[in-house]
Amino acid sequence: AQSVAQPEDQVNVAEGNPLTVKCTYSVSGNPYLFWYVQYPNRGLQFLLKYITGDNLVKGSYGFEAEFNKSQTSFHLKKPSALVSDSALYFCAVRTHSSYKLIFGSGTRLLVRP
Amino acid sequence: SAVISQKPSRDICQRGTSLTIQCQVDSQVTMMFWYRQQPGQSLTLIATANQGSEATYESGFVIDKFPISRPNLTFSTLTVSNMSPEDSSIYLCSVEDLMGQGAEGYTFGSGTRLTVV
Repeated sequence: AQSVAQPEDQVNVAEGNPLTVKCTYSVSGNPYLFWYVQYPNRGLQFLLKYITGDNLVKGSYGFEAEFNKSQTSFHLKKPSALVSDSALYFCAVRTHSSYKLIFGSGTRLLVRP
Repeated sequence: SAVISQKPSRDICQRGTSLTIQCQVDSQVTMMFWYRQQPGQSLTLIATANQGSEATYESGFVIDKFPISRPNLTFSTLTVSNMSPEDSSIYLCSVEDLMGQGAEGYTFGSGTRLTVV
């Protein structure tokens, strides 16, 4: 069965410092991986996705993620955090043969000034 | 990317009543998805709605409780029936989206925050 793990409920980082939000996955077959962000009282906003190709994916708002097949990970990163990045981040996975998107439990990012 | 209009954005409902949530997309899409996000939780897929056929429900969700309509390729509704406080959640619709890059992705509506009292 497909699954996504986000091992950290919350990540705290100081503004200007680099941030990493972790995600590992388990699927049978090649994964399609996604990161979404949810601000309070808002829907989900797409950040980036990995389908195929270059393992380093660049997305919106300066975020990037690296697909690591051997470690089955897709960690979200940003070189310099902003206070406005504070939000709830979700990792999600599907496979080519299934349209279902499976979400991780979410990680709350708190960037302090 | 597709643009989704979801209504209502929020509602407070009495237990035992029903609420219908609407999802309008600005382009034709084959598949539409309905998710539930319980307080402090992740998103769980309720069902997939294809135009011209009955919705496909995930384990733990049934048509009597969450009837879905999909009358055309740009519109769908989800009804939460005979509501109880446990149905208090955010409900989101989603569509597959080429995102202008020829690769699949998903776009989400802004959600309906439902509180049952």
